[in-house]
Amino acid sequence: AQTVTQSQPEMSVQEAETVTLSCTYDTSESDYYLFWYKQPPSRQMILVIRQEAYKQQNATENRFSVNFQKAAKSFSLKISDSQLGDAAMYFCAYGTLRFGAGTRLTVKP
Amino acid sequence: DTAVSQTPKYLVTQMGNDKSIKCEQNLGHDTMYWYKQDSKKFLKIMFSYNNKELIINETVPNRFSPKSPDKAHLNLHINSLELGDSAVYFCASSPVGSSYNSPLHFGNGTRLTVT
Repeated sequence: AQTVTQSQPEMSVQEAETVTLSCTYDTSESDYYLFWYKQPPSRQMILVIRQEAYKQQNATENRFSVNFQKAAKSFSLKISDSQLGDAAMYFCAYGTLRFGAGTRLTVKP
Repeated sequence: DTAVSQTPKYLVTQMGNDKSIKCEQNLGHDTMYWYKQDSKKFLKIMFSYNNKELIINETVPNRFSPKSPDKAHLNLHINSLELGDSAVYFCASSPVGSSYNSPLHFGNGTRLTVT
């Protein structure tokens, strides 16, 4: 069975700086998709970025990018130029099946 | 227009009662899901339906029964509610194709409190 681990329950970053959230996973599949979702205090779950395992190129979406290391089964999220609106819970997900425990990101002004 | 809508947003009820949560999506997606988020924010899949057919049924007590009258709707009925059922329940949908590789579109969640 697949598992997803987020080892950082909480992280904080200064506004305008860069922060990296960690995620590792375990699977025996060779083709799969990984996602990062954001959950602000409003409770809404919002897709941040997705990565297809067969693509070697790391996905990017504006200020959000991933460092995907397939062999190491690592999928970290980098947020550049952090903004106050980035403050939220961030969840790493393996497909639609498994979610990590989440990392609460605080952005300090 | 709301893409995935679920009602009610809040539900407070007593132990032993039966309650339902409704979900509708207007995205034309074939696959719909129910997830449970507990008090520690841990999110776990409960059920998945593809075009009205159940395709995922995780280890969920049989007091929970999903019903999909058509591919745009997936309701969750809970019998004999227990204190441990208190959580936020999310409905979600994903596009046509394998349900494992599609991004999820979530509803706003229903906070269920059992007293």
